Amino acid sequence: EAGVTQFPSHSVIEKGQTVTLRCDPISGHDNLYWYRRVMGKEIKFLLHFVKESKQDESGMPNNRFLAERTGGTYSTLKVQPAELEDSGVYFCASSQGLLGGSYEQYFGPGTRLTVT
Amino acid sequence: AQSVTQLGSHVSVSEGALVLLRCNYSSSVPPYLFWYVQYPNQGLQLLLKYTTGATLVKGINGFEAEFKKSETSFHLTKPSAHMSDAAEYFCAVTLYSGAGSYQLTFGKGTKLSVIP
Repeated sequence: EAGVTQFPSHSVIEKGQTVTLRCDPISGHDNLYWYRRVMGKEIKFLLHFVKESKQDESGMPNNRFLAERTGGTYSTLKVQPAELEDSGVYFCASSQGLLGGSYEQYFGPGTRLTVT
Repeated sequence: AQSVTQLGSHVSVSEGALVLLRCNYSSSVPPYLFWYVQYPNQGLQLLLKYTTGATLVKGINGFEAEFKKSETSFHLTKPSAHMSDAAEYFCAVTLYSGAGSYQLTFGKGTKLSVIP
């Protein structure tokens, strides 16, 4: 069974440009999460999809970030326009269910975004 | 608000020595607790989790952790370190963020080095 995959693995863009990150969850996982780790800080929650619906987007930093999940399958996270403080590693995770938060979240390898 | 504290951003142990990585949490309700490990250039992998039941939890690769409610701790241990244990370790708790959504709240991570 394939794990969570993310593309690209690395992205270097200039301030003001647009970048789109993609996540393919484990097949059959309705729950998809995005997290971000800024250098030296904790991994922080961005948002949670259940199928194609945004269940919780309370962690999204501002309206320069737009997440979508087409047909409840893969998800994209677009940053437009990118700022220097957006640099970090973006992780995607998926889980089969919720059950009060006890289900394991399976993480992808992350996308390292560098904004110069 | 829930938080997770990992004592020591870097821990070094000799090969064969005891590994002890500390994690304390704050939570107003009984939490679900997780330890994840990240090997270089890989995603986060679940080592073990505590949901309910036995407070001593065994995980993969010989790791275990004990949930101590009175101390609000969930320290990770391994009796004998192996070179392959060198990685970054993250303690996390589940946070209910409302509207049927659960997110992981992470500590800052502890990098473990194993000295031959």
